Amino acid sequence: DQQVKQNSPSLSVQEGRISILNCDYTNSMFDYFLWYKKYPAEGPTFLISISSIKDKNEDGRFTVFLNKSAKHLSLHIVPSQPGDSAVYFCAASGSTGNQFYFGTGTSLTVIP
Amino acid sequence: DGGITQSPKYLFRKEGQNVTLSCEQNLNHDAMYWYRQDPGQGLRLIYYSQIVNDFQKGDIAEGYSVSREKKESFPLTVTSAQKNPTAFYLCASSIGRDSYEQYFGPGTRLTVT
Repeated sequence: DQQVKQNSPSLSVQEGRISILNCDYTNSMFDYFLWYKKYPAEGPTFLISISSIKDKNEDGRFTVFLNKSAKHLSLHIVPSQPGDSAVYFCAASGSTGNQFYFGTGTSLTVIP
Repeated sequence: DGGITQSPKYLFRKEGQNVTLSCEQNLNHDAMYWYRQDPGQGLRLIYYSQIVNDFQKGDIAEGYSVSREKKESFPLTVTSAQKNPTAFYLCASSIGRDSYEQYFGPGTRLTVT
């Protein structure tokens, strides 16, 4: 059973506009959430994280929002750039951080 | 240059053969992980190790084995018991317990025919 879900397999956005990637989870014990970016034939690279005690974390053009009551998080990229085109995975973990559960990924295409 | 090395990038094997995937890190990280990625699916955890000489099964450990004899090395053996071994395998490491950020290697694409 998929505990972390990314329901949009793909997203296309015009350069300069906002990209919003969504992620839902089912386990209320998840305490820590991360976003990873992945290019083809490469390993994922860490992008941004948020713990359950916060509802927002910002790093440059990237902002992650967490809505614990809805078990939903989103990644906002503003402004979107062609180099942002990649697959984005969200991941969630309990408090020990021993095991992460990954979503299926959303492929973002930023159109120049 | 610190990082995680996985070799080879592409690996081909005949059905019924065991194959070992290499993962080495020079980040001085305590924890290491193996994931499998299949088309249209997220990363699924095979095994993880928090310290040397100790490892735990993840969600899909059947048909796989690991060892952690050295801090920097965490090889994964795909045995002939693994029913669908063809996949993209990713190794990751993190500083250790209570550290959530994982650093990933470039991956090994294994094809078994």
